[in-house]
Amino acid sequence: AQTVTQSQPEMSVQEAETVTLSCTYDTSESDYYLFWYKQPPSRQMILVIRQEAYKQQNATENRFSVNFQKAAKSFSLKISDSQLGDAAMYFCAYRGFPTSGTYKYIFGTGTRLKVLA
Amino acid sequence: DTAVSQTPKYLVTQMGNDKSIKCEQNLGHDTMYWYKQDSKKFLKIMFSYNNKELIINETVPNRFSPKSPDKAHLNLHINSLELGDSAVYFCASSQEGWDRGRADTEAFFGQGTRLTVV
Repeated sequence: AQTVTQSQPEMSVQEAETVTLSCTYDTSESDYYLFWYKQPPSRQMILVIRQEAYKQQNATENRFSVNFQKAAKSFSLKISDSQLGDAAMYFCAYRGFPTSGTYKYIFGTGTRLKVLA
Repeated sequence: DTAVSQTPKYLVTQMGNDKSIKCEQNLGHDTMYWYKQDSKKFLKIMFSYNNKELIINETVPNRFSPKSPDKAHLNLHINSLELGDSAVYFCASSQEGWDRGRADTEAFFGQGTRLTVV
């Protein structure tokens, strides 16, 4: 069974600085997708960034980028130029390729990010 | 125009009652899910449906019964509510049959229903 681990329950970053959130996963599948979701106090789940396992290039979305290490099964999120609005819970998630029959997204336990003014 | 909407947003009820949460998606997705988020924020899959067919039932008590009348709707009925059922319940949907390079591979979530059992 696949698992997702986030070892940092809480992180803090100074406004305008850079922070990296860690995520590791375990799977025997070769094709899958990885995601980072943000959950602000409003509790809405918001997609931050996605990575396809077959792509070697790391995904980037404006100030958000990932470091995807497939062999190490590691998928970290880097937030540059942190803003107060980035304060939220961040969840790492795994989804097997649809043909594998895995009809679910598996989430890590989350990292609470605090942004200090 | 909300993509995944669930009602109600808040639900406070007494132990032993029966309650339902409704979910609708207008994205044309094939698969819908119920997730439970506990007080520690852990998100755990409860059920997934693909084209109205139950695919996953993750050892959820029989008191929880999902129902999918069509692809766009997935409701959750809970019988004999217990204190431990207090949580936030999220409905989500996603598309299946991906080709590589497809953009919309993520799950889209509703705004959640905070259920409080007193």
